[in-house]
Amino acid sequence: AQKVTQAQTEISVVEKEDVTLDCVYETRDTTYYLFWYKQPPSGELVFLIRRNSFDEQNEISGRYSWNFQKSTSSFNFTITASQVVDSAVYFCALSEGSYGQNFVFGPGTRLSVLP
Amino acid sequence: DGGITQSPKYLFRKEGQNVTLSCEQNLNHDAMYWYRQDPGQGLRLIYYSQIVNDFQKGDIAEGYSVSREKKESFPLTVTSAQKNPTAFYLCASSIRQGIDNEQFFGPGTRLTVL
Repeated sequence: AQKVTQAQTEISVVEKEDVTLDCVYETRDTTYYLFWYKQPPSGELVFLIRRNSFDEQNEISGRYSWNFQKSTSSFNFTITASQVVDSAVYFCALSEGSYGQNFVFGPGTRLSVLP
Repeated sequence: DGGITQSPKYLFRKEGQNVTLSCEQNLNHDAMYWYRQDPGQGLRLIYYSQIVNDFQKGDIAEGYSVSREKKESFPLTVTSAQKNPTAFYLCASSIRQGIDNEQFFGPGTRLTVL
């Protein structure tokens, strides 16, 4: 069973629109971490955020915000007022296990922001 | 500048040949990882190493081999036993292998088998 699901394979928006990328995870552990990474066309993954399972506080960083809801096992990512530079593949990831030996990436969502 | 370097960026090989992908980090990280990414898919773990002279198989280790003789280096060899080696290969490192540690990635090597 897939531990991290990103149901949206591809999303296209027009510049300045808001967009939300969904991430649903599955774990039996009580302690785990969730991550979001961005992969621009150059290929290198860029770390965006880390959230532990005990901190459900939403986080905002500039135009980026994250909504973590344990009740629905979701960790969604919203970009406000999207820009062309936001075009990339975005990956959600789950880290679990006593020493993080299980680090699983979701399949990714390709976001295209059109001018 | 601290970071992870991978070379070469593009690599072509003939079927049946072994090829080694380089990964070097100057972040003083203990843990290093190799991932494979196929078009339109997520990352799959090939091998990881928590410390020098130690490494573990990931989800898709068959047809690959690694070594970790130095803390800063974690080369990956794609052997002729790997049935479908054409892919994008990403190397990563983290301070240590721990549940809370984010991984830092290199720019990747795109391998094409002709």
